[in-house]
Amino acid sequence: DTGVSQDPRHKITKRGQNVTFRCDPISEHNRLYWYRQTLGQGPEFLTYFQNEAQLEKSRLLSDRFSAERPKGSFSTLEIQRTEQGDSAMYLCASSLSLGSEQYFGPGTRLTVT
Amino acid sequence: EDQVTQSPEALRLQEGESSSLNCSYTVSGLRGLFWYRQDPGKGPEFLFTLYSAGEEKEKERLKATLTKKESFLHITAPKPEDSATYLCAVHTAGGTSYGKLTFGQGTILTVHP
Repeated sequence: DTGVSQDPRHKITKRGQNVTFRCDPISEHNRLYWYRQTLGQGPEFLTYFQNEAQLEKSRLLSDRFSAERPKGSFSTLEIQRTEQGDSAMYLCASSLSLGSEQYFGPGTRLTVT
Repeated sequence: EDQVTQSPEALRLQEGESSSLNCSYTVSGLRGLFWYRQDPGKGPEFLFTLYSAGEEKEKERLKATLTKKESFLHITAPKPEDSATYLCAVHTAGGTSYGKLTFGQGTILTVHP
């Protein structure tokens, strides 16, 4: 098992552009989470999937953000019309069951110029 | 709203100097408290889960304990490689939460040789 993987590791984009990140969870985990982390802060929850169903979304997830998990395997997080305030580390995590420990990927560092 | 506060914000120790990190929480229905370690530029690495007051977990030089209002991460005879940010997070039973973690802001630990 190689753990949670994320791609790309780094993304630099200009304001107004769209970006998409990918997360591959641990293979037997059917729960997948997206978090955002800014410098000096702990991760903040964005959204949660159980299999392919998106069951919970944070108020932080504006209408410019959309996430999918087709077929309950990998997940994508898209940000449309990026703003400088979107610059952050985007973390993906997966878990085996509700309330069990979540295992995090290495993150995607987004810089919006 | 669930709140998690970690103290101190930063801690500098000499190698071999034992100390403790604190995580205090105000939540509605704690289902689990998690400790993670995060190295710069990387995703959080899972350390411990604690589910009920009085529970203790140990791993090498680290020991986590839990009361009804707070958790402690005790570090015994730390080494420079223990330098990292330590994050505390809670999973709660309130509302429509399906398993999101609410994180504290972290404690930055630096161990000098």
